Amino acid sequence: KNEVEQSPQNLTAQEGEFITINCSYSVGISALHWLQQHPGGGIVSLFMLSSGKKKHGRLIATINIQEKHSSLHITASHPRDSAVYICAVRFQTSGSRLTFGEGTQLTVNP
Amino acid sequence: EAGVAQSPRYKIIEKRQSVAFWCNPISGHATLYWYQQILGQGPKLLIQFQNNGVVDDSQLPKDRFSAERLKGVDSTLKIQPAKLEDSAVYLCASSLDLGARETQYFGPGTRLLVL
Repeated sequence: KNEVEQSPQNLTAQEGEFITINCSYSVGISALHWLQQHPGGGIVSLFMLSSGKKKHGRLIATINIQEKHSSLHITASHPRDSAVYICAVRFQTSGSRLTFGEGTQLTVNP
Repeated sequence: EAGVAQSPRYKIIEKRQSVAFWCNPISGHATLYWYQQILGQGPKLLIQFQNNGVVDDSQLPKDRFSAERLKGVDSTLKIQPAKLEDSAVYLCASSLDLGARETQYFGPGTRLLVL
């Protein structure tokens, strides 16, 4: 069964803390996406990964294909990082369909 | 570059009524997606178009939901009749093409409340 699991479901941090959000999936994938969703519904694509590591500003995304696991890290977190972070994957057996995790609600307090 | 446009932003209806949502993708994007996102869950794909053809509608409740993209540009999603459990955010997204590594660009969503 094609499944995507994220942890934690909710995360509260103090400004400046290093944050890690995890994503595990069940079977082989062709690509993994990290998305950010702010209150009001708008979704922004942060990263697309198929191997290795990507960095953009204070955000770092890594993926381990053998372990079927990806992490999203935020360094020096800020209250404006507060949002829902969603992991979505394209399973090799699902064509171009994205399967989404349930998201991690991040709250960064000043 | 203009993003994905959706309307309306909010809609409140009573159960058994009908409702329609509209989406205009980014210009030149061949692939268009409709997602349903229930509160506290990740988005679920309802239907995916490539130009004006349906690529995947396996998760669309076809007894009450329908969607079209007649000219391969904008699209409408209809619910008829609505049920309480249809209360959700309906997201439209588009991408240049079908490729596995294409980035999807999301619209702001339509928040539907069925009373």
